[in-house]
Amino acid sequence: DGGITQSPKYLFRKEGQNVTLSCEQNLNHDAMYWYRQDPGQGLRLIYYSQIVNDFQKGDIAEGYSVSREKKESFPLTVTSAQKNPTAFYLCASTYDSNYGYTFGSGTRLTVV
Amino acid sequence: QKEVEQNSGPLSVPEGAIASLNCTYSDRVSQSFFWYRQYSGKSPELIMSIYSNGDKEDGRFTAQLNKASQYVSLLIRDSQPSDSATYLCAVNVISSGSARQLTFGSGTQLTVLP
Repeated sequence: DGGITQSPKYLFRKEGQNVTLSCEQNLNHDAMYWYRQDPGQGLRLIYYSQIVNDFQKGDIAEGYSVSREKKESFPLTVTSAQKNPTAFYLCASTYDSNYGYTFGSGTRLTVV
Repeated sequence: QKEVEQNSGPLSVPEGAIASLNCTYSDRVSQSFFWYRQYSGKSPELIMSIYSNGDKEDGRFTAQLNKASQYVSLLIRDSQPSDSATYLCAVNVISSGSARQLTFGSGTQLTVLP
């Protein structure tokens, strides 16, 4: 079945540690997105990529980094520069934003 | 002014009632509009899309669009406790350059009381 797979489902990060969240899709979508959601809040765009080997900063890119070496994959690294990383992270993709986005199941990141 | 605004909620309705969720947007040339449902702890799920002025019905859900007023709404008839969730309005707007992408409202939390 086609879809977006995010892993891991839960992730715990120690202070000062970098962690990488995985996002893989087999929908043949060109565009992929990373969002952060805090409790009771809406979605905030971190990074997005319209094509392979190209990506753009969203509204809250500081402390995060991404790569897009393959069409299917758009990993997000939460660096130690991100001071408040505890949140629910959502990956999405689309072949045309006029038809909406498909979301992965999310990764819940907690700082311990 | 936020690009997409939703009535803040939370909204509570009794089982069997009509729930009305509202959304306004600022981009006058937007052409596609969406409603997502998000259960607690889960990811958003697309439930309705609408592109033309008027009503679009799908089962118990009706999306309404008025481009002149820059207003989109979602009506849920015969509300069920299983409809209790946060509903996100999304609008396809121009981002940096000429690319379009979805901008999301902050969501309205709906509780249907048995």
